[in-house]
This record gives sequence, structure tokens and C-alpha cells, in this order.
Amino acid sequence: AQSVTQPDIHITVSEGASLELRCNYSYGATPYLFWYVQSPGQGLQLLLKYFSGDTLVQGIKGFEAEFKRSQSSFNLRKPSVHWSDAAEYFCAVGAAKLIFGTGTRLQVFP
Amino acid sequence: SAVISQKPSRDICQRGTSLTIQCQVDSQVTMMFWYRQQPGQSLTLIATANQGSEATYESGFVIDKFPISRPNLTFSTLTVSNMSPEDSSIYLCSVGTGGPNYGYTFGSGTRLTVV
Repeated sequence: AQSVTQPDIHITVSEGASLELRCNYSYGATPYLFWYVQSPGQGLQLLLKYFSGDTLVQGIKGFEAEFKRSQSSFNLRKPSVHWSDAAEYFCAVGAAKLIFGTGTRLQVFP
Repeated sequence: SAVISQKPSRDICQRGTSLTIQCQVDSQVTMMFWYRQQPGQSLTLIATANQGSEATYESGFVIDKFPISRPNLTFSTLTVSNMSPEDSSIYLCSVGTGGPNYGYTFGSGTRLTVV
């Protein structure tokens, strides 16, 4: 069955610290992988996506993600977090339709 | 990417009534979807809105409760019927685009509260 697991429900980091949000997937074919961010009261904004090619993907707002097929992972990273990055982050997988993980809520302390 | 206009942005409804949510896209799209996000939860796909044919519903969702229309390639509606407090959620429209810009864009959502 197709599924996405985000092991961390809630992460707290200090502003300026590095960040890594974990995402593991189960998918029968070559996965199409996405990271979205949802700020409070807002819709979903696409941060980055991976289909093929270079396994290190650059996205908006300084985020990047690395696809590791052997680990079935697509972890999201940022070298230095800003207070405005506080939001809910969703990993998703799919081709004809998306399956979402449960999300990770990021809190940033000044 | 496509720009989605979703209306209403929020509503408070009485139980037993129905609400129709509209999704308008600024370009023709083949793939159109409706999601539900319950409070503090992730997104769950309700159905795929097919142009010119009946929507394809996911397990746990039925047409009588969530009728969907898709009259053309730029517009769709989702109706939440005979509402109960358990239907209080954010409902989001999404469109998929193919080609080199393959991906999914989401509307800003409709925040529904049933009292």
C-alpha cells in the first residue's frame, strides 16, 4: 500500500539553527515526491518536488531535499531557520493523486 | 502554475444543511481534486473530479454526502450535504498539471464550521 510517514509530529528549533524534517514513503513505482508548507490559516505552498535526476533538489525559501531510494526517504533540510519558517510541513507522494503524510509542526524560537 | 480561486473562504453552517464550495481555475486543467483537512490533521483525498463524468471517490467518501460537479475544465463544485459537526474541516481544491511543470497546486481552502 502507498503511504507516507513523517515521524516527527512537532519540532522546535532556535532561529539560525539547521533543520531536517524526515519523510519516509512506501510506493510501488518510481515515486513523485513533494514537500508542501502550510502557514496558519493558509493553503498549501509547494516547496520543492522530485521526479527523477539529481537526488538533491533545491526549492524555494532556501529549502532542499534529498531523495534516497535505498532508505525510501525524502528528507527536507534548511541550513539556517528563520522565524518565518514556523509552519506545518507536509510530505506527499503520488503520481495520479497525492498521498500526504501526517505533517510536522515546526516551531522556531528567537 | 495554475491560479485557483476557492469560495467561500469560510462559513458557519447549521447542522442538517448543505454547503456548496466552488473552485475556479484560471486555465484548463485535466486533473482536479477535493481534499478534506480535519482540525489538526493532514489532508485526505475525497475524490477526483472528472470532467464530463461522475467523480471518483476514495474509500470512506460517498457521492450522496459529497456530490461533486465538473461541468468544464476550469470549474468544479463540492457540496457537503446534511452536515453534522463532524464535517467541520478545511476543504481544499487542487489541480494537477502535467508536462515539465508537473505538480499539484492548491486553493486557499474553505474553513467550514458546523454548529
